[in-house]
Amino acid sequence: GAVVSQHPSRVICKSGTSVKIECRSLDFQATTMFWYRQFPKQSLMLMATSNEGSKATYEQGVEKDKFLINHASLTLSTLTVTSAHPEDSSFYICSAPDGGNGYTFGSGTRLTVV
Amino acid sequence: GNSVTQMEGPVTLSEEAFLTINCTYTATGYPSLFWYVQYPGEGLQLLLKATKADDKGSNKGFEATYRKETTSFHLEKGSVQVSDSAVYFCALSEIQAGTALIFGKGTTLSVSS
Repeated sequence: GAVVSQHPSRVICKSGTSVKIECRSLDFQATTMFWYRQFPKQSLMLMATSNEGSKATYEQGVEKDKFLINHASLTLSTLTVTSAHPEDSSFYICSAPDGGNGYTFGSGTRLTVV
Repeated sequence: GNSVTQMEGPVTLSEEAFLTINCTYTATGYPSLFWYVQYPGEGLQLLLKATKADDKGSNKGFEATYRKETTSFHLEKGSVQVSDSAVYFCALSEIQAGTALIFGKGTTLSVSS
């Protein structure tokens, strides 16, 4: 079935630095990738939708200059958290339609900013 | 807009008890409905889904029926196990329109032996 590989699974970075999270579709072409954020013991909040070859669409309240999304190919979408601060610490998950009637998810990235 | 409301947790049960987690939705179109499960420290796993009214999704002893008349998709299991302890998310999407999943807030289930 459709598999999305997400890396890294965990990252710790210093405040002010940038972190890149990658999601690769391994056996299918992901024209669309959804990026979610999950705070501890809370639900998944949609941050943005990326489409291959075009600009991402951000949800209300999400800073597009802080969370840079690139979807330059049909198999790779990236989320870069720029100038990270402790409040950006969270669990980030990508997801793509699986070509059927469902979605496939990456395994998530736990970001800790110190 | 579309939304999902699920019962607040935590839900605490003894092993072999009956489980119900309520989920209702609001949608402008004809959404597909999903239940996802998240075990501690892990990502999301699809538990079951239903794509049209009166469909029943089932997996691992869990069931949910898409009820258009009550806009509900309640999750049930006849006999829970300790290994079912996790967070359960109800979600919807209009996947034919290429939209993202919208999740409920999640319900934590804790099963004790």
